[in-house]
Amino acid sequence: AQSVTQPDIHITVSEGASLELRCNYSYGATPYLFWYVQSPGQGLQLLLKYFSGDTLVQGIKGFEAEFKRSQSSFNLRKPSVHWSDAAEYFCAVGARTGANNLFFGTGTRLTVIP
Amino acid sequence: DTGVSQNPRHKITKRGQNVTFRCDPISEHNRLYWYRQTLGQGPEFLTYFQNEAQLEKSRLLSDRFSAERPKGSFSTLEIQRTEQGDSAMYLCASSPDRGQYFGPGTRLTVT
Repeated sequence: AQSVTQPDIHITVSEGASLELRCNYSYGATPYLFWYVQSPGQGLQLLLKYFSGDTLVQGIKGFEAEFKRSQSSFNLRKPSVHWSDAAEYFCAVGARTGANNLFFGTGTRLTVIP
Repeated sequence: DTGVSQNPRHKITKRGQNVTFRCDPISEHNRLYWYRQTLGQGPEFLTYFQNEAQLEKSRLLSDRFSAERPKGSFSTLEIQRTEQGDSAMYLCASSPDRGQYFGPGTRLTVT
């Protein structure tokens, strides 16, 4: 069965510090991989996605993620966090065939302190 | 920029009432998804349309839930005889092929 694990429920970082959010998945084959961000009361915004090719993926707002097949991981990184990055971050996997519906992790809440 | 829109944004209803939500996807997207998100959780897949055909339904979609997408355009999600456990955020997403773009969601509160 497919599953997505985000081991950190809540992370607090100082503004300007670097950030890494962890994501591990369990899937029968290499899935499509995504990171979404959700601000309070809002829908989800797509930050970046991995389908194939270069395992280091650049996204919006200065985020990047690296796919490591051997570790079944897709960690999200940002070199310098801004106060506006405070939000909930979700990692998701999707099948390469069929409906391509997404399976989400439980999310990591990011707090940014001045 | 016309993204995915959902109406209403908030709905409060009494237990046992029926409710209907609407989703307008990005116009050129032929794939449409419904998800449900409860507090502290990630979204969970409910159902999927390709054009007007409903091709997949999750086990979460009980008999009280029905979804339609007439003419492959907007979609509606109806919940009959609402229960308190139905309280959640209902999210719609559309996709041209791979990668899904979400609307702002409809928050349902059942009292």
